[in-house]
Formats: sequence, C-alpha cells, structure tokens
Amino acid sequence: DIQMTQSPSSLSASLGDRVTITCRASQSISTYLNWYQQKPGKAPKFLIYAASRLQSEVPSRFSGSGSGTDFTLTISSLQPDDFASYYCQQSFTMPRTFGQGTKLEIK
Amino acid sequence: QVQLQESGPGLVKPSQTLSLTCTVSGGSISSGAYYWSWIRQHPGKGLEWIGYIYYSGSTYYTPSLKSRVTISVDTSKNQFSLKLSSVTAADTAVYYCARDRAGYTQDSYLDYWGQGTLVTVSS
Repeated sequence: DIQMTQSPSSLSASLGDRVTITCRASQSISTYLNWYQQKPGKAPKFLIYAASRLQSEVPSRFSGSGSGTDFTLTISSLQPDDFASYYCQQSFTMPRTFGQGTKLEIK
Repeated sequence: QVQLQESGPGLVKPSQTLSLTCTVSGGSISSGAYYWSWIRQHPGKGLEWIGYIYYSGSTYYTPSLKSRVTISVDTSKNQFSLKLSSVTAADTAVYYCARDRAGYTQDSYLDYWGQGTLVTVSS
C-alpha cells in the first residue's frame, strides 16, 4: 500500500494567516491526490482533486499543488470556518489510502 | 443534491457481524456513473478506506479487511450495504458511506458522504 504522511500533525494559526499543510507519498503518485476537510463530529468534505483542482463552491483561498511524492494544501488567509482537520488521499492505485490528518487550531 | 444516510445497529458483540446500510437519495445507484464506498474512522484517528461497489455488483476491498468484508448493492431500494464479520473491539469506529466519482480509475475521489454512524463492538 502507498503510505501517505502529512505534516504537521497539528498546527495553530490565527485568523488571516497563510497556512500550508504538506502531504508526502511513499512512492510517486503523479497528481492523483485529493484533499478533504473534516470538522468535529462531521463527515469529511471534499475540497480538491488532482492535486490542484478545486471542487465547485470551495473558496478560492484554498489551493493545492505538487506532483510525484510531495504535495501541499495552502489556505491563503484563514477564516473562522477553516479551523478543522485536513486529510490527503491518493487515488493513484488501490487500495486508496489517506494521510493521518492535520488538525488546524486557532492560536 | 445527492444525499447518503447510514443506518444499522450502534452496538455489536465481539465475534458477530457488523451490518450497515447506506440509502442514497437524489440520484440513482443504477445510473452507473459512480461507485459506492465505505470508509471508517477509529475514535480520534484518521480515515481508513474499506472498499467500494459498482451498481453491477463489482467490488474492491482493501486487502487488510478483505477476508471479513462484504459490500452488496440493492438497486431496487437504491441502497448499498456493508458486512464485516468476526468483529473485535478494534472495529469500533465511525463508519461512513460515500460516493466515489470513478472507482478504480485514477480520477477517483469521494465527493458526497453520509453523516457517519458510530459502531461500538462490546459485549
């Protein structure tokens, strides 16, 4: 299985900050990388596919980049609604695997 | 707007079979446009992909659970189901059903999710 490793595991930031979360794959996955947001007690919400393509209605402050083994999710200016956990997931091969998550908290 | 809703017992005894159903509304499983997945999340932990089914009955299961998992579909009810046998406390988790845009192909992603249901394995 492809291992997905996110860093950091947790992150404290303030409103308006620019934040970057990293996801690393154990082997090259081209750009077959998705991102999800999850708030406590809620189901994950799909944000980004193919490493950089925003799902419709996802705010433009979110962006994704990367290819091969290294990927980033960037939030350009943190809003109150953004404090949540974020997960990457590879769709390069089966079985699908997720990163362990990054919890974004208010400083 | 597609909606998915999990249902099933919240408490299962060790060694028994966990059974959950996901009811899809706002779209037809039979359309063949999507795959239908199960994912779980252990308490306070990350997400674990379990497997998917296509309307035709074609399935894929994650190897670590393959010997214990069965996913089935009932197109007449617009539902798909998960069975996990011989459960232990390690199977205690929130179980989610989700729609997968593309299944086994690399363009896959999980775009709609159910709210999740907590299943506790305990005697």
